[in-house]
Parts: sequence; structure tokens; C-alpha cells
Amino acid sequence: EAGVAQSPRYKIIEKRQSVAFWCNPISGHATLYWYQQILGQGPKLLIQFQNNGVVDDSQLPKDRFSAERLKGVDSTLKIQPAKLEDSAVYLCASSLNSGSNTEAFFGQGTRLTVV
Amino acid sequence: KQEVTQIPAALSVPEGENLVLNCSFTDSAIYNLQWFRQDPGKGLTSLLLIQSSQREQTSGRLNASLDKSSGRSTLYIAASQPGDSATYLCAVRLVYQAGTALIFGKGTTLSVSS
Repeated sequence: EAGVAQSPRYKIIEKRQSVAFWCNPISGHATLYWYQQILGQGPKLLIQFQNNGVVDDSQLPKDRFSAERLKGVDSTLKIQPAKLEDSAVYLCASSLNSGSNTEAFFGQGTRLTVV
Repeated sequence: KQEVTQIPAALSVPEGENLVLNCSFTDSAIYNLQWFRQDPGKGLTSLLLIQSSQREQTSGRLNASLDKSSGRSTLYIAASQPGDSATYLCAVRLVYQAGTALIFGKGTTLSVSS
């Protein structure tokens, strides 16, 4: 079974530029998450989708971050404009659903460096 | 607000030792708890998932326990090997109005020397 796919693996941009990350979850998984992991910290949830609807985006900095999950499968996360403090690993995860028995599976992540 | 704490932050042991990683959480109203492994520059690999009604789960040399009432979980690694060197993350799944979410600790970075 294929895992969660993310691209690109690495990205270096200058501050104030824009960047987009892509995620393809495990086939059949209704729930998709985007997490931000700053060096030395645990992952922090940015946004959660159930199919193509947003369940929670309370910690997403909406002035610069946006995400969509068209057709309830792939998802993109965009940052515009980027700040130095956005340097982090962006992890995508998926699960069969958001219920109590569900297990989350993570992709390899995209390491973003803003200079 | 749910907070997840992992102790110690870092641990160095010689090969062959048995070791325990600790995870505590402030709100006992969790659905489940999941232990992950993260290698440098890589994503997270799920190790064990313990439902809130369970006390422990085992997979090979790994054993995870859960005491929901006291807000604690431990990950026991038997006969450690250099290949076990990684960061271990604990995450609790909690329910909130919008659905459920995984809340992570900061991790324990383990180094096993040969």
C-alpha cells in the first residue's frame, strides 16, 4: 500500500516570496492533516480536512497561509508571503476517518527554509 | 488546553540496555495515544497505537502502556540497538467541537551507542 506522498522534499525561498506544498494521502483516507514542525518542537496542527471540507483551521495563520483539498483527495498548502519564522518541516498526514480508532500516517515532509 | 510533555528530552545509552520513555498529558479525555518514531530529515513512522480503553500494546521489542486516569504513557524499548537511535514522539487524540486531532509532545531524542 502506498503511503502519504509529499512534494517537494526541500524548498528554499526568500522572505516575502510565495511557496506551495502538495500532498497525496493514502487512497480511501477521508481525513487529511497539515502539520508544521519547527526544529526541536513537536508537530503543530495547522488544518484538518474531512473529505473536501475544513474541520479545523483555528491554528492556521490565515493572513498568509491557505490550504485546499479539491475533490477530497490531494491537498495543497500555500504560504504567501513567507516570513523567516515559517522555516519548518511541513508534514501531511491522513487517516481513514477522524474517529476514535483511527491511526494517522505521515508523509516524509517538506523542509522549508526561508532566507 | 491539552498539553503533552515528554521526559527526558534526550537520552544516550549503550547498546543492549532496556529503557523507558515517558509521556504525560494534562487532559485525560483522550480517544487514543500514538507513539511515533522520527529519523533525522524524515517523516513520522507510527510505532504503536493504544486505545483509551486499553492498558498496553506490544510490537516486537517495544511495549507501550497507558494510564489514562493519571495522564501517563510509557514506551519501553528492550535490548536497545544503534538502529533505535531517533526521536520518539508521543501524541494524544482528543475530541473537540470540530472533530478530533492529534496533539504532540516535543519528543525524546534517543542515541544508542555500539
